[in-house]
Amino acid sequence: AQTVTQSQPEMSVQEAETVTLSCTYDTSENNYYLFWYKQPPSRQMILVIRQEAYKQQNATENRFSVNFQKAAKSFSLKISDSQLGDTAMYFCAFLRNAGNNRKLIWGLGTSLGVNP
Amino acid sequence: NAGVTQTPKFQVLKTGQSMTLQCAQDMNHEYMSWYRQDPGMGLRLIHYSVGAGITDQGEVPNGYNVSRSTTEDFPLRLLSAAPSQTSVYFCASSYSGQGSNSPLHFGNGTRLTVT
Repeated sequence: AQTVTQSQPEMSVQEAETVTLSCTYDTSENNYYLFWYKQPPSRQMILVIRQEAYKQQNATENRFSVNFQKAAKSFSLKISDSQLGDTAMYFCAFLRNAGNNRKLIWGLGTSLGVNP
Repeated sequence: NAGVTQTPKFQVLKTGQSMTLQCAQDMNHEYMSWYRQDPGMGLRLIHYSVGAGITDQGEVPNGYNVSRSTTEDFPLRLLSAAPSQTSVYFCASSYSGQGSNSPLHFGNGTRLTVT
């Protein structure tokens, strides 16, 4: 069975600095997808970035980028130039490429605080 | 484009009462699901559906029922509320199918308290 581990329950960073959130997963699949979601205090779940396992190039979305290491089963999220609005809970999630079944496997989250 | 609309935002129930959480999406997504979120336990899947007329159980289905009579709607019913069902509930939807990297789109959540 697949599992997703986020080993940092809480992190903090100074505004304008860079922070990296870690995520590791366990799977025997070769083709799958990985996601990072953000949940600010408003409670809304927001997609930050996604990565297809068959793509070697790391995904980037503005200040957000990932370091995808398929052999190591690692999928870390880097936030550059941190802003106060980045304060949120961040969840890593895994999805098998298996037809209509869209059941994601979720990590327990990392609470990120951005300090002014 | 409304996305995923979830109602109500807040609800307080007494033990034994029943209620329905509503979820509707206007993106023609085949896949819909319900999660509960509890402190320290992340997101846990309650029920899901891969299309109208098709539903299946997730990790924590006990005490909940779902139906999917239309593509747009996926209500979650609490049959007899218990304090253990105090939680934040999320409805989420996505496109599905082999090879689709469609992410889940979430509603804004319902905070349910059972006393």
